[in-house]
Amino acid sequence: AQSVTQLGSHVSVSEGALVLLRCNYSSSVPPYLFWYVQYPNQGLQLLLKYTTGATLVKGINGFEAEFKKSETSFHLTKPSAHMSDAAEYFCAVSFSGGYQKVTFGTGTKLQVIP
Amino acid sequence: EAGVVQSPRYKIIEKKQPVAFWCNPISGHNTLYWYRQNLGQGPELLIRYENEEAVDDSQLPKDRFSAERLKGVDSTLKIQPAELGDSAVYLCASSLQALTSGRINEQFFGPGTRLTVL
Repeated sequence: AQSVTQLGSHVSVSEGALVLLRCNYSSSVPPYLFWYVQYPNQGLQLLLKYTTGATLVKGINGFEAEFKKSETSFHLTKPSAHMSDAAEYFCAVSFSGGYQKVTFGTGTKLQVIP
Repeated sequence: EAGVVQSPRYKIIEKKQPVAFWCNPISGHNTLYWYRQNLGQGPELLIRYENEEAVDDSQLPKDRFSAERLKGVDSTLKIQPAELGDSAVYLCASSLQALTSGRINEQFFGPGTRLTVL
């Protein structure tokens, strides 16, 4: 069965510091990978997705993620954190070859310290 | 363009009472999803509709949960009777048809309904 593991339920960074949120997936077939952001009392918003092609994916708000098949990872990064980045981030996986449901990780809450 | 609309935003009920959630998807989106998000967890799919047809309801607890999407637009999710463990945020999402040319389409989420069962 498909699954994703997010390392660290809470991550704190200083404003201006690098943001690194970790995600590993398990899959026996080529995955589709996603990062979503959820602000308090709001629904999820897609940050970026990997389906095929270039393994470095750029998303909204300056975020990017790199698909590393050898490491089964899809870590999310941003060079410089802003206060507005404080939110919960979810990694998710689905598969190619017909519709497969999207499976979400347990989320990582990002705190940005002024 | 209006996003996915859900109501109510919050609901508090006593256990064994019924409750219903309503979702209006983005105009033109064929696919509608209901998710449940427990505290500290990611969303889990309950049911997926393609137009008015429920094509994946394998995770819907059918003894107490029901859903409908009449006319392939708005949808209602019902719980009857509610149990303490049903306390969660219920999220609705919509997308163009789930797959286009083999590519998965982006899901757009509503703000959710936070249910508290006492």
